[in-house]
Amino acid sequence: EAGVTQFPSHSVIEKGQTVTLRCDPISGHDNLYWYRRVMGKEIKFLLHFVKESKQDESGMPNNRFLAERTGGTYSTLKVQPAELEDSGVYFCASSQARFEAFFGQGTRLTVV
Amino acid sequence: GIQVEQSPPDLILQEGANSTLRCNFSDSVNNLQWFHQNPWGQLINLFYIPSGTKQNGRLSATTVATERYSLLYISSSQTTDSGVYFCAAGSYNTDKLIFGTGTRLQVFP
Repeated sequence: EAGVTQFPSHSVIEKGQTVTLRCDPISGHDNLYWYRRVMGKEIKFLLHFVKESKQDESGMPNNRFLAERTGGTYSTLKVQPAELEDSGVYFCASSQARFEAFFGQGTRLTVV
Repeated sequence: GIQVEQSPPDLILQEGANSTLRCNFSDSVNNLQWFHQNPWGQLINLFYIPSGTKQNGRLSATTVATERYSLLYISSSQTTDSGVYFCAAGSYNTDKLIFGTGTRLQVFP
């Protein structure tokens, strides 16, 4: 069974540009989460989808971040326009019900 | 919301040594997970352990939910055990995980 897959694994963009990160959850997992780790700090929650609906987006830092989940399958996280402080590692996770969450390999975003 | 603290922040071991990593959480949890972040940045699931004890090879974990802590034991450590170990907890009123700041483990030959 395939795990959580994230694309791209690395992205380097200039300040002001737009970047879109993609996450494919484990098949059958209705719950999809985005987290990020910036500046070597702790990993922090961004938002939670249940199928295609946003259940909790309390961790989204500002309106430059937009997350979508098409048809309850894959999800995208768009940053527009990117700022230097957005650099970090963005993780996606999925779970069945409210149990063990499985994480993808992460996308390392560098904004220069 | 729930708070998660890990100790020690750093740990340096020689290959073959044993270690214990601790995770304290401030509220009742319905989810407690241990992860290993390897040198490539991947978060590898180690244990899903909201209560009780589990073992997987040289690793084992115990969560005492009533006392709000969890322990990760690493026995006969190997250089491949190096990396950052994260504990993450979820409470009953939210599905999100709250991560600790991690324990950075370095194992030298």
